[in-house]
Amino acid sequence: DTGVSQDPRHKITKRGQNVTFRCDPISEHNRLYWYRQTLGQGPEFLTYFQNEAQLEKSRLLSDRFSAERPKGSFSTLEIQRTEQGDSAMYLCASSPTSGGLDTGELFFGEGSRLTVL
Amino acid sequence: GENVEQHPSTLSVQEGDSAVIKCTYSDSASNYFPWYKQELGKRPQLIIDIRSNVGEKKDQRIAVTLNKTAKHFSLHITETQPEDSAVYFCAASGRYSTLTFGKGTMLLVSP
Repeated sequence: DTGVSQDPRHKITKRGQNVTFRCDPISEHNRLYWYRQTLGQGPEFLTYFQNEAQLEKSRLLSDRFSAERPKGSFSTLEIQRTEQGDSAMYLCASSPTSGGLDTGELFFGEGSRLTVL
Repeated sequence: GENVEQHPSTLSVQEGDSAVIKCTYSDSASNYFPWYKQELGKRPQLIIDIRSNVGEKKDQRIAVTLNKTAKHFSLHITETQPEDSAVYFCAASGRYSTLTFGKGTMLLVSP
C-alpha cells in the first residue's frame, strides 16, 4: 500500500498522559498536514509542513500539542497532558506538487483515533 | 480566517433522484474548492474539485458549480445510487493551501 499510513490506529489513554502519533506520507509528497476530526464535524486544520519546515499552525493548537517532521519524511504529533477534550480522530494528509506548484489535493490517512478517559 | 458553511446537514433522496449540497465561504482570496466523500469509518477522499478560474466542472454523475461573486459553490449528484450514501464535505483553500472544511452533509440514498 503506497498511501498515507498512520500509527497507531487507535489509542486509549488516561487523562494527563502523553501520546504520540506517527504519519508516513506518500513518498513523493513534500507537503504534510495534520487535521483533527470530531464526530459530526469536518476535519479541522492543525498544522502543516513543507519538507521539514513547519509553516503554519492553527490557533486551535495549544501549547500541549507539538508536531515534527525531522527529515522531511514521516511526521509525529505529540499531545502532552491529554485532556478529555482531546478525544478525536487525528488525520494526517499529504499533498503532491505539479511543476513546483501545489495541486491542492489532500490524500488522507485512515486516522488515529484517540480516546482520553 | 476562512469560514465555510455547508447545507443541508442531512439529505435523504430516493435512488435515481438528484442531490444538491451547497456551501458558502468568507475569504474572497480562496481559490480552490474541493469536495470530499467520507464513508463510515473511512478516510475522506477527493471526488471533485474546482478552481476559481472555472465556473463549472463535471465528472460523470458529479458536477460542481462556483459563483465567486456570491462566494458560494455547490455539489450536484445526478442519478443517485445507494453507494453514494456517505458524508460529503466541502472545503475552501487558505494560505499555503490549508483547507477549511464545512461541517458535512450526510447523504442517504434509499433503494
